[in-house]
Amino acid sequence: GESVGLHLPTLSVQEGDNSIINCAYSNSASDYFIWYKQESGKGPQFIIDIRSNMDKRQGQRVTVLLNKTVKHLSLQIAATQPGDSAVYFCAESGGSYIPTFGRGTSLIVHP
Amino acid sequence: EAGVAQSPRYKIIEKRQSVAFWCNPISGHATLYWYQQILGQGPKLLIQFQNNGVVDDSQLPKDRFSAERLKGVDSTLKIQPAKLEDSAVYLCASSLKIGQGYGYTFGSGTRLTVV
Repeated sequence: GESVGLHLPTLSVQEGDNSIINCAYSNSASDYFIWYKQESGKGPQFIIDIRSNMDKRQGQRVTVLLNKTVKHLSLQIAATQPGDSAVYFCAESGGSYIPTFGRGTSLIVHP
Repeated sequence: EAGVAQSPRYKIIEKRQSVAFWCNPISGHATLYWYQQILGQGPKLLIQFQNNGVVDDSQLPKDRFSAERLKGVDSTLKIQPAKLEDSAVYLCASSLKIGQGYGYTFGSGTRLTVV
């Protein structure tokens, strides 16, 4: 079946750098996308979402970009901090708005 | 506000034994979800409740897994008998209503190890 996947399983960055986490999705019917952050021993935490009628959305230090033509989603984190170290999941959904999660990217921030 | 509460935090059982997990959602949240997260993977939806009714249980292995939400608040997820491949973190999430992805709140999960 169709699924959401991530390009890179691990991303290492230096504190203060910008981070970009990528995600490819294959379900062309998906119209709602969400990024979650999961710290060790905790459940996923909502970061930012975007609907398919948008191609960019900004939050505090985070930006999500959506390219529907190539079915690609990215999460940009500005001035990455050690507290940003976690596993990041992209998730997609259709009309039900119930997220289907990809595998995740582990972000490691070096001080 | 208090978050989604789950217990126990950890559980180790032998294969073929039974186990139950408990979830208390955020007060007022009508929708409750159980997810299974195998190590290194994203969470996979097992079952969704709206109040005390099941909305979607298509991914629940019904030969061994069962879940209930009798009074539309707390929920329990049971596995009987457990298999080695059931080792995972079982996450509970709740939302005020269906369709609020941003309003999805997860608990910290129960880590199950089947030996």
